Amino acid sequence: NAGVMQNPRHLVRRRGQEARLRCSPMKGHSHVYWYRQLPEEGLKFMVYLQKENIIDESGMPKERFSAEFPKEGPSILRIQQVVRGDSAAYFCASSKTSGTIGLVGYTGELFFGEGSRLTVL
Amino acid sequence: KNEVEQSPQNLTAQEGEFITINCSYSVGISALHWLQQHPGGGIVSLFMLSSGKKKHGRLIATINIQEKHSSLHITASHPRDSAVYICAAQLLIKAAGNKLTFGGGTRVLVKP
Repeated sequence: NAGVMQNPRHLVRRRGQEARLRCSPMKGHSHVYWYRQLPEEGLKFMVYLQKENIIDESGMPKERFSAEFPKEGPSILRIQQVVRGDSAAYFCASSKTSGTIGLVGYTGELFFGEGSRLTVL
Repeated sequence: KNEVEQSPQNLTAQEGEFITINCSYSVGISALHWLQQHPGGGIVSLFMLSSGKKKHGRLIATINIQEKHSSLHITASHPRDSAVYICAAQLLIKAAGNKLTFGGGTRVLVKP
């Protein structure tokens, strides 16, 4: 049973180009989370998706960033017109369970990918 | 003030020593995760707990809900335990939704 697969592991882009990062969750997992780790900083939540739905994108910059998790295929984090400040490690995690209890969200056990390291020149 | 605080930021130990990393949080939580990030950057989930204590090999995680505090212990530490250990909380506030809030990490170095 393969773990969470992310690709590419390393991506170099010039300013203004587009970056596409892919995440295939563990088999049987339908909840995907993207996190960003800027150099020398901690992890920060970006977006939570279920199949064909964005559940929470409150951590994602409003411009240039988008995410999807189609019915078939991997989840994709897309960054348009990259800038140097986008250089970071982007981690994907998946879980089998997640949801809300009343008004409160909960996250099941998370399995992380190896991350995709984006360098913007 | 961060909602999730870890201490210490850095820790150096000799092989065989007992290591404790602390995590405190300011609001109620539904669960707390302990993660390990190795040099090279991959992240492994060590524990997810909402009460009591969990043990896996030489690793023990405890949580005290009333005191809003969790600890990760490493017994008989080994150089291969050298990594950054991160606690992450599922905060019990509506705005938190399903996202985790992360501590700043504790960089552990175990010397042979």
